[in-house]
Amino acid sequence: DTAVSQTPKYLVTQMGNDKSIKCEQNLGHDTMYWYKQDSKKFLKIMFSYNNKELIINETVPNRFSPKSPDKAHLNLHINSLELGDSAVYFCASSQDGRLDYGYTFGSGTRLTVV
Amino acid sequence: QKEVEQNSGPLSVPEGAIASLNCTYSDRGSQSFFWYRQYSGKSPELIMFIYSNGDKEDGRFTAQLNKASQYVSLLIRDSQPSDSATYLCAVRAGGKLIFGQGTELSVKP
Repeated sequence: DTAVSQTPKYLVTQMGNDKSIKCEQNLGHDTMYWYKQDSKKFLKIMFSYNNKELIINETVPNRFSPKSPDKAHLNLHINSLELGDSAVYFCASSQDGRLDYGYTFGSGTRLTVV
Repeated sequence: QKEVEQNSGPLSVPEGAIASLNCTYSDRGSQSFFWYRQYSGKSPELIMFIYSNGDKEDGRFTAQLNKASQYVSLLIRDSQPSDSATYLCAVRAGGKLIFGQGTELSVKP
């Protein structure tokens, strides 16, 4: 199946821990993103990578570090987790240069920090 | 002012009625506009896009764009209970997709 896949789907962890979320797309897209969706359903962009290069870095604490080993993969590592990091994190991808092309989202990772 | 604004709802319509969802945006340089549907516990799913002024129809869905008024809308005709979801308006500007806070739609049988 062609898709954007994320792992894990659920992540429950204690404050202060470090965790990673992985994302892979097999759509051949050039650009990948991380979005955070809070409890009010607001989707906010965090990072964007184009062909392994960081192109968007919104105002995100530096505890969050994205890594893109190749254009099909984008991982998110979070250090020293805080209660406020609890949210659903979505990976997405898109094809450059097309105004009519929206983003394809992964199924999301629900992170709960206790 | 938020970059993309939507009424959060909930918007409740009876089955078979027309549901009208609205969105305004602040960046006049915005290039294209999208409507996503998100069921509870699921990921956003693209249902419509538009980048020219006017109407665009796809089945029961019609997207409307007015760049002068910085306004985008989505009409859902013959609403079904299965249309009950949160609808997210998204605007492509500055190389990224910026989302509104979503409108929760409830279609009552």
